[in-house]
Amino acid sequence: QKEVEQDPGPLSVPEGAIVSLNCTYSNSAFQYFMWYRQYSRKGPELLMYTYSSGNKEDGRFTAQVDKSSKYISLFIRDSQPSDSATYLCALNDYKLSFGAGTTVTVRA
Amino acid sequence: DTAVSQTPKYLVTQMGNDKSIKCEQNLGHDTMYWYKQDSKKFLKIMFSYNNKELIINETVPNRFSPKSPDKAHLNLHINSLELGDSAVYFCASSPGLDPTDTQYFGPGTRLTVL
Repeated sequence: QKEVEQDPGPLSVPEGAIVSLNCTYSNSAFQYFMWYRQYSRKGPELLMYTYSSGNKEDGRFTAQVDKSSKYISLFIRDSQPSDSATYLCALNDYKLSFGAGTTVTVRA
Repeated sequence: DTAVSQTPKYLVTQMGNDKSIKCEQNLGHDTMYWYKQDSKKFLKIMFSYNNKELIINETVPNRFSPKSPDKAHLNLHINSLELGDSAVYFCASSPGLDPTDTQYFGPGTRLTVL
């Protein structure tokens, strides 16, 4: 069983829709929770991180963590074609453990 | 200005060959990493170095040998390449070992073993 489970999708939504992505994890030692975005043929880049249960907003992006359920989510509001990418959750204890990534396509 | 650069970008080679991938960062970071991303996009850490010292060595065949000549460089040498080594290899760097330190990734090296 992988430490971090993420549905690889793919996910296709129309422009303006809300995109909902999530990961579950098994290791309670994880204290830091991140979302990376990876465009095709590029390296991943950090989108958001949080280290506590609750919500964190940054523009159109909201990261949510529920430590009691070991569940993290990323919401993208008013999605744009430029949001089309693979989104990877990443959890950190002494090293980053990534989910499989969800490929998202936003149709114009 | 490229923060984390890797060479080559593409590498196509035959089984059994030995090859090297080079990584350089100009961010002044102390910590560097190698990751492997397989065909299903699963990204997994291989090695990390802090101030030229090996910190993390995940379960990687000893055909893979990292070398850090200085803090700004981390190279990866692979001996006796196998079909299963085909993947995209990413180098990354971070300011230090704090779990909140952002890791910055290079553009990747796409290795194809025939």
